Amino acid sequence: DGGITQSPKYLFRKEGQNVTLSCEQNLNHDAMYWYRQDPGQGLRLIYYSQIVNDFQKGDIAEGYSVSREKKESFPLTVTSAQKNPTAFYLCASSLTDELFYGYTFGSGTRLTVV
Amino acid sequence: GQSLEQPSEVTAVEGAIVQINCTYQTSGFYGLSWYQQHDGGAPTFLSYNALDGLEETGRFSSFLSRSDSYGYLLLQELQMKDSASYFCAVRPQGNLIFGKGTKLSVKP
Repeated sequence: DGGITQSPKYLFRKEGQNVTLSCEQNLNHDAMYWYRQDPGQGLRLIYYSQIVNDFQKGDIAEGYSVSREKKESFPLTVTSAQKNPTAFYLCASSLTDELFYGYTFGSGTRLTVV
Repeated sequence: GQSLEQPSEVTAVEGAIVQINCTYQTSGFYGLSWYQQHDGGAPTFLSYNALDGLEETGRFSSFLSRSDSYGYLLLQELQMKDSASYFCAVRPQGNLIFGKGTKLSVKP
């Protein structure tokens, strides 16, 4: 079955550590996205990529980095520069341009700073 | 700037009809989407309106008026499992911008 997989489901980070969240899709979607959700809040865009080897910053990119070396994969690194990283991180993918109809989301990663 | 406004909470009884409104202000516009998110889960796609009018999918319908920068999600024959947060989202360019969500509570 086609879908989008995020791992791990739960992640604990110590102060000063970088951590990488995985996102893989087999839907043959060109575009992939990372959003952050805080309790009781909407989704805020961190980074997005419309094509391999290209990505753009979203509204809250500071303290995060991404790569898009393969169409299927869009990992997100939360660096030590991100001062408040505890949140629910959601990866999504979609078709683009006139084929767009909506996002498919992964099941999310809950990151907690300990 | 870009903004979306939707009510923060709505309560309804089982079997009733509820409408969740969304108004938006964006620099560009390619469509209005609706997503459902249960507590602890990921959002799931409900509908996408690129053109004015009503789209119906089972018990759920979504409406868009581009001239009014307004849309709504209509849920009919409410069931307990419809208790969730509902997000409207607009697509000004390549990505979606989400509202803060409406928490729907369905009571017996």
